[in-house]
Amino acid sequence: EVQLVESGGGLVQPGGSLRLSCAASGFTFSNFWMSWVRQAPGKGLEWVANIKQDGSEKYYVDSVKGRFTISRDNAKNSLYLQMNSLRAEDTAVYYCARRASPIDYWGQGTLVTVSS
Amino acid sequence: EIVLTQSPATLSLSPGERATLSCRASQSVSSYLAWYQQRPGQAPRLLIYDASNRATGIPARFSGSGSGTDFTLTISSLEPEDFAVYYCQQRSDWPFTFGPGTKVDIK
Repeated sequence: EVQLVESGGGLVQPGGSLRLSCAASGFTFSNFWMSWVRQAPGKGLEWVANIKQDGSEKYYVDSVKGRFTISRDNAKNSLYLQMNSLRAEDTAVYYCARRASPIDYWGQGTLVTVSS
Repeated sequence: EIVLTQSPATLSLSPGERATLSCRASQSVSSYLAWYQQRPGQAPRLLIYDASNRATGIPARFSGSGSGTDFTLTISSLEPEDFAVYYCQQRSDWPFTFGPGTKVDIK
């Protein structure tokens, strides 16, 4: 059974940093593009970033370029999102997702709240 | 950036009725369009990919059609568990974008 379990969310002040992690199991992690997608409270879905199987290609939505970094460790079956210079508008549930598109499996999400 | 527009914003229907949801792209996305369902408090679930292909385990009452800029998701006969929000999403060009969603609620 495919499982994606996010961790690392929480409350952070504006300008602060957080690192999200996603533990993958039930499939060969190194064979798949992986993505982060977020959803602000009561709002729609927004693609944040994705990363190729070997980490050689990464794509970011403009609003997070230069602030967020997606990475992966295939030996640990893990996906990461380093988030720096956080803003109030980054407040959202962050989903770890398998594949770049279409996404066939989603984690349950981790809530990031940016507030003073 | 390719903008997706969904209509209507809300669709109020009764169980057993047919639901027709629309997604329009600001430029052609070929057939690179997917549909997702999101129930309250849950992660999205893939329903349709590449415009008309049902994902694994998705009931036959869900169907997708269209190409280019105009797409439709049809639910032939609504079941109680189908009342949810539905999003379209394109993968023709980065950044991949989602539509704002259509909420299907109980009339």
